[in-house]
Amino acid sequence: EAGVTQSPTHLIKTRGQQATLRCSPISGHTSVYWYQQALGLGLQFLLWYDEGEERNRGNFPPRFSGRQFPNYSSELNVNALELEDSALYLCASSWGQGEQFFGPGTRLTVL
Amino acid sequence: DAKTTQPNSMESNEEEPVHLPCNHSTISGTDYIHWYRQLPSQGPEYVIHGLTSNVNNRMASLAIAEDRKSSTLILHRATLRDAAVYYCILREWGSGTYKYIFGTGTRLKVLA
Repeated sequence: EAGVTQSPTHLIKTRGQQATLRCSPISGHTSVYWYQQALGLGLQFLLWYDEGEERNRGNFPPRFSGRQFPNYSSELNVNALELEDSALYLCASSWGQGEQFFGPGTRLTVL
Repeated sequence: DAKTTQPNSMESNEEEPVHLPCNHSTISGTDYIHWYRQLPSQGPEYVIHGLTSNVNNRMASLAIAEDRKSSTLILHRATLRDAAVYYCILREWGSGTYKYIFGTGTRLKVLA
């Protein structure tokens, strides 16, 4: 069974640009979570999607947004990129409120 | 929001038990306690979770204090492969939805 996949692996952008990160959950999982992990820091909860709807978001500005598609895959968009947005972005999926399975992450670098 | 507090780092000798503490003094009655670990260069992986009673699985045991203000993840025999950052997480219910509150994690070093 394929795990959670994320693309791209690495992404380099400049300040002010927009970044789009993608996540494909494990087959059968309806919930997708996004987390930000800045270098040397812990995980910060970003967004939670379930059945196509945003269920909760963490303490991040509105320029962090996303969506979940009918096939349960998800996209995270970060507008007006700032240097501090450089981080590893992790996606996780779960069935209901069960155990979360994480993907390998997308490393976003903002120059 | 509830918060969790963990020591930044701990060391253990191989083949010995490890007790990783977590304080969550502001936990509410419906918050679940989850533990995940993150191996180097990988995404986090689930370890164990519980609400009130102690829990055991093939990876670890979770001991929850009677007042639920703290918990301890127990690795019964540490191996080199257990070297990772261990996160204590609260699954918090509020405003009609769930939120996951990650602690800063404990970096476990296992000595051969």
